[in-house]
Amino acid sequence: NAGVTQTPKFRVLKTGQSMTLLCAQDMNHEYMYWYRQDPGMGLRLIHYSVGEGTTAKGEVPDGYNVSRLKKQNFLLGLESAAPSQTSVYFCASSHRHPDRGDTQYFGPGTRLTVL
Amino acid sequence: GNSVTQMEGPVTLSEEAFLTINCTYTATGYPSLFWYVQYPGEGLQLLLKATKADDKGSNKGFEATYRKETTSFHLEKGSVQVSDSAVYFCALEGGSYIPTFGRGTSLIVHP
Repeated sequence: NAGVTQTPKFRVLKTGQSMTLLCAQDMNHEYMYWYRQDPGMGLRLIHYSVGEGTTAKGEVPDGYNVSRLKKQNFLLGLESAAPSQTSVYFCASSHRHPDRGDTQYFGPGTRLTVL
Repeated sequence: GNSVTQMEGPVTLSEEAFLTINCTYTATGYPSLFWYVQYPGEGLQLLLKATKADDKGSNKGFEATYRKETTSFHLEKGSVQVSDSAVYFCALEGGSYIPTFGRGTSLIVHP
C-alpha cells in the first residue's frame, strides 16, 4: 500500500496564478483532510470531507476550494494564489472507528511558495 | 470547543536523557488522545494513542497515560536517542470527525 500520496512535492507560483494539489489514498478511508503548516502555527485545517461527494470548511478555508469526486482522491485548489498562501500543505485520511480512535494518516506534504 | 495545549520548545537534551513533553486538553465527553511525530521533511505519523481514561499508549520506548482527572496526556521516554529528534504533536479526537492538534514541540537530541 502506498498510503497517502500528494502531488506535486514542490511548486513555485506567481501571485494570481492557479493550481491544484492532488491527494490520493489507497486505504478506502471515508474521511480526508487538507491542512496547512506554518512556523509557530502548528497545523490548521483548511477543508475536510466525510465521504465521496461531500466537503466542508475547516478553520482557514478562504482562498481555497476542494472537491471529492472519487472516494480515494481529494483535490485542493487555489484559484488566485497570494503570498500568504506560501506554506506546507498536508493531506490526511482516516477511517471511522467509534471505539478505537480515528488515527490520521498523513501524506508527505507539498511545499508551495507564492512569489 | 476542544483545545490542546502542549509545552513550547525547543526541548534540547543530551542522548540518554529522560524526556517529558507536557500536554493538557479541554474537551467535552471522552475524547481519544494521540501523539504524532514529524521527522524533518516528512508528514506526521502516529506515535501512540489512548482511547479511554487510564489507558497507556506506548511505542518505540515512548509512553503516555490518559489522565482524565488532570486532563493530561504527557509524553515520556526514559532514554532519548539522536534519532528521536523531531517535532511532536499532541492531539485529541472527540467524535466530530475533526481532530484538534497542539502547536507541536520540537525535540533536539545532541550526541
